[in-house]
Amino acid sequence: ETGVTQSPTHLIKTRGQQVTLRCSSQSGHNTVSWYQQALGQGPQFIFQYYREEENGRGNFPPRFSGLQFPNYSSELNVNALELDDSALYLCASSLTSGALYEQYFGPGTRLTVT
Amino acid sequence: TQLLEQSPQFLSIQEGENLTVYCNSSSVFSSLQWYRQEPGEGPVLLVTVVTGGEVKKLKRLTFQFGDARKDSSLHITAAQPGDTGLYLCAGEGDMRFGAGTRLTVKP
Repeated sequence: ETGVTQSPTHLIKTRGQQVTLRCSSQSGHNTVSWYQQALGQGPQFIFQYYREEENGRGNFPPRFSGLQFPNYSSELNVNALELDDSALYLCASSLTSGALYEQYFGPGTRLTVT
Repeated sequence: TQLLEQSPQFLSIQEGENLTVYCNSSSVFSSLQWYRQEPGEGPVLLVTVVTGGEVKKLKRLTFQFGDARKDSSLHITAAQPGDTGLYLCAGEGDMRFGAGTRLTVKP
């Protein structure tokens, strides 16, 4: 069984640029959630995808967008990067959405915006 | 804004000591999860508590869900350096995490 993987591991971007982060969910999981974790903070929920549809969204602006593919892998896109977007971006996969579920996290992508 | 408040924010203890960390909310959760996160890694699920008053044990870790399902505690007995990490709680339903308790166990 393959765990959750994320790419790239680290990324440096300039303010105003766009970035795409990728996540491969654990085998058999149909739900992917994305989180932003600033230094010293807990993860903040960005959004969740269930069977290729957005299934909930946190308090993030529209320049944060996502996709889920038929194989349940996912992308997080951030446009017009700002310095405050510098954070660890975590992807988590689970088998069900909404109701009781258990999430399994990837190692994260460390994004630095300069 | 975090709906889940975790305390203490930081805790540094000696190996062998016992400790309790707390996760409190004004909201009722149908379930609550505890995770441990080590530097440079994603959080790892430790336990899910579902029933008010429920107690679950995982080796030296004891998790309790409050009767009203608004709060939870994690007690570690005889802490070891390997317990060092960021302990996070998350309420099911809106995927919100607390800010975490950063635990350091010194040998």
